[in-house]
Amino acid sequence: QVQLVQSAVEVKKPGASVKVSCKASGYTFSSHGITWLRQAPGQGLEWMGWIRHYTNYAEKFQGRLTMTTDTSTSTAYLELRSLRPDDTAVYYCARTLPPDYDFWSGYYDLWGQGTLVTVSS
Amino acid sequence: EIVLTQSPATLSLSPGTRATLSCRASQSINNYLAWYQQKPGQAPRLLIYDASNRATGIPARFSGSGSGTDFTLTISSLEPEDFGVYYCHQRSTRPPSFGPGTKVDIK
Repeated sequence: QVQLVQSAVEVKKPGASVKVSCKASGYTFSSHGITWLRQAPGQGLEWMGWIRHYTNYAEKFQGRLTMTTDTSTSTAYLELRSLRPDDTAVYYCARTLPPDYDFWSGYYDLWGQGTLVTVSS
Repeated sequence: EIVLTQSPATLSLSPGTRATLSCRASQSINNYLAWYQQKPGQAPRLLIYDASNRATGIPARFSGSGSGTDFTLTISSLEPEDFGVYYCHQRSTRPPSFGPGTKVDIK
């Protein structure tokens, strides 16, 4: 079954870090980039960045965002540091089209179920 | 950053009717536009890419058109399961951006 399965809900205090995982199955993980997006409660979608053979991050997250992949387990990771209350959101990973394309620009045809990250003191 | 504007904000229509959703870009994005549907508590689903191409498994009642700055998603005959929020998304210029969404309610 072609799917992306994300890690569970996280509750963090301001200033802490969070690491969200996204495990792919049913397709060749290395053939596609992975894009991370987030959606604050009741809000729209925000692009955070992309990873395949290299990374490309949105300017607003530079310095506190790291994306990595482990091809041996077909898993992508997002780590966000220095968390603030306005980082509270559902974080999504998404497979990026087209395949075999080494560029941040693409469309998202397969999504994880989302990981709710709540930042609160 | 390219700003996408969607209209209307909300659409309330009966099953069997035609729905027309609009997305306007603040500058030309050629045809680098996609449409997604999102239902409550779910991840978005890709419907249309490159302005007019249906994604795998998407019913033929969904169609997209437009280029440059003005784009349209048409649902030819609404089904009860078509409720949700519809987002447009541009990949022309970094950072990729999304419109604020059009909520479709089925009467």
